[in-house]
Amino acid sequence: GESVGLHLPTLSVQEGDNSIINCAYSNSASDYFIWYKQESGKGPQFIIDIRSNMDKRQGQRVTVLLNKTVKHLSLQIAATQPGDSAVYFCAEIAHSGYSTLTFGKGTMLLVSP
Amino acid sequence: DAGITQSPRYKITETGRQVTLMCHQTWSHSYMFWYRQDLGHGLRLIYYSAAADITDKGEVPDGYVVSRSKTENFPLTLESATRSQTSVYFCASSTANEQFFGPGTRLTVL
Repeated sequence: GESVGLHLPTLSVQEGDNSIINCAYSNSASDYFIWYKQESGKGPQFIIDIRSNMDKRQGQRVTVLLNKTVKHLSLQIAATQPGDSAVYFCAEIAHSGYSTLTFGKGTMLLVSP
Repeated sequence: DAGITQSPRYKITETGRQVTLMCHQTWSHSYMFWYRQDLGHGLRLIYYSAAADITDKGEVPDGYVVSRSKTENFPLTLESATRSQTSVYFCASSTANEQFFGPGTRLTVL
């Protein structure tokens, strides 16, 4: 697969633990945020999104938290599984609907059985 | 099959050669994008297109050319490949905010 994980911040957890992946974004005008998951050898895959008028959104086993005051996003994964091992990217859009994303550099999540 | 596809998946070429990477989507999404992904840089936008015959530069457009004569296709051409263009290239399409990515093309320029 592609070696996109080298030189990335890495989070190592045990199967069943909860994982928290953090992201700092740069543009205070950004009003829409997305988390993507990228497995080795594949393209990024949408996980969950959040608009700037929200501070929390939940999906299946995932929760995204948004703190606009400090321009910080986090992705929480409950009961982490080996299949969650991947690189996770946050992305921001300055104007919702315009569709030009700015991606963070990513965090590699390694889940041990 | 429905979705977004890229071809070729792997390509090795030499400095100075012209290379075209293909991208095809079956959703009729209006927006399409080309990114490159490199160690230490994450995903960087090369070019994007809001509709057929409408294209615009992204963050790193130099050395690349795109066209969009049909909604479903968005080819990316490296007119004279350089070693610095060795990368993994991803195409994406979207209707509004969520982008759907292709599987990527790994390009090596020798």
